[in-house]
Amino acid sequence: LAKTTQPISMDSYEGQEVNITCSHNNIATNDYITWYQQFPSQGPRFIIQGYKTKVTNEVASLFIPADRKSSTLSLPRVSLSDTAVYYCLVGDRGNQGGKLIFGQGTELSVKP
Amino acid sequence: EAGVAQSPRYKIIEKRQSVAFWCNPISGHATLYWYQQILGQGPKLLIQFQNNGVVDDSQLPKDRFSAERLKGVDSTLKIQPAKLEDSAVYLCASSLGSGLPEQFFGPGTRLTVL
Repeated sequence: LAKTTQPISMDSYEGQEVNITCSHNNIATNDYITWYQQFPSQGPRFIIQGYKTKVTNEVASLFIPADRKSSTLSLPRVSLSDTAVYYCLVGDRGNQGGKLIFGQGTELSVKP
Repeated sequence: EAGVAQSPRYKIIEKRQSVAFWCNPISGHATLYWYQQILGQGPKLLIQFQNNGVVDDSQLPKDRFSAERLKGVDSTLKIQPAKLEDSAVYLCASSLGSGLPEQFFGPGTRLTVL
């Protein structure tokens, strides 16, 4: 499974767009890129997943360049409630539910 | 749709005691996972079940940890005897399996070993 590197922490203000970049230089051909969000005292929650180019849902966008060695999670117009830890994960979905390897994550702090 | 249920939410024990955690996954989810999350770190997978069979338990400390999912539905994780370094949040997650990416996590059980 490819190792990921992301900033330990980021600060932002309400209403701003936040971009969190994750590096995964050793990503394999079958690997997908997945982002999870975790609030204090809760389990992680799936945000978005992609393989290449751009993926968008109602919560976030995921940008993946052609070489797939990095990815950027984009959160539009963040609010205080987006304060959380964001995990970037890379791995093969696998035949039996897939395996997630969590790193340390990026602690995002949104200020008023 | 009901989420993943875990109990208890909190547990305090002394070292060398035993403890058990219970998890009821989302109905119909074939794959069940137990994670350990130490404060300040990301979750670490302990064991993964597909129905009632173990898929991966490579990071489970088998000398003290055990887990079962007898009927392919709910699961129990046990620690016996507990050590101070077992203090962590124990998260249960489930997914439909068969390569689907999204895992649904429960609220976790916070274990404190004194």
